[in-house]
Amino acid sequence: GQQVMQIPQYQHVQEGEDFTTYCNSSTTLSNIQWYKQRPGGHPVFLIQLVKSGEVKKQKRLTFQFGEAKKNSSLHITATQTTDVGTYFCAGPSQAGTALIFGKGTTLSVSS
Amino acid sequence: NAGVTQTPKFQVLKTGQSMTLQCAQDMNHNSMYWYRQDPGMGLRLIYYSASEGTTDKGEVPNGYNVSRLNKREFSLRLESAAPSQTSVYFCASSEYAGQGSYEQYFGPGTRLTVT
Repeated sequence: GQQVMQIPQYQHVQEGEDFTTYCNSSTTLSNIQWYKQRPGGHPVFLIQLVKSGEVKKQKRLTFQFGEAKKNSSLHITATQTTDVGTYFCAGPSQAGTALIFGKGTTLSVSS
Repeated sequence: NAGVTQTPKFQVLKTGQSMTLQCAQDMNHNSMYWYRQDPGMGLRLIYYSASEGTTDKGEVPNGYNVSRLNKREFSLRLESAAPSQTSVYFCASSEYAGQGSYEQYFGPGTRLTVT
């Protein structure tokens, strides 16, 4: 079945270091979404990428959608303690009626 | 606007008991979803309702039933709870479900323990 995979599962960094999480789909996606979940909280939508090769930035966060529309990445520059949480990517199901979520990458940051 | 609300926030059940998790949204969204989240497993879709009057199974529907009561409300029922259903349950909504192109808004979650 359709799968969305994320690596790494966990990442610990020192405050100020960069962080990247990678997302790979078993199928070509029409779009990909990214969500952040703070510890004890619920997932919150960050961004959606639609075009092949698209790059979007939100302050220190850079999102990329691969040329083949099967992979994506989220890069955080100079992490802060406020970046702590789990980052999920999600792509539409083949039927287009639901999202398939990756298992997420949990980021911890020490100061 | 409250967004997506869920009740209860916490629940402890004994094996075999039944319960209904309630979810409501005030954003006039057409589509609603139920997920469960277990450590290391991400978010797994249980059931969804693409529009009022329709419901469909997701990845892990066994042991659950749903009701789309009206456009605002989507409930999840456990008929006979099992320890394997210990999890955090999230309800979500989106404007439409077409091609997954619409961001989903999540409720705060229900933390369920089955002993």
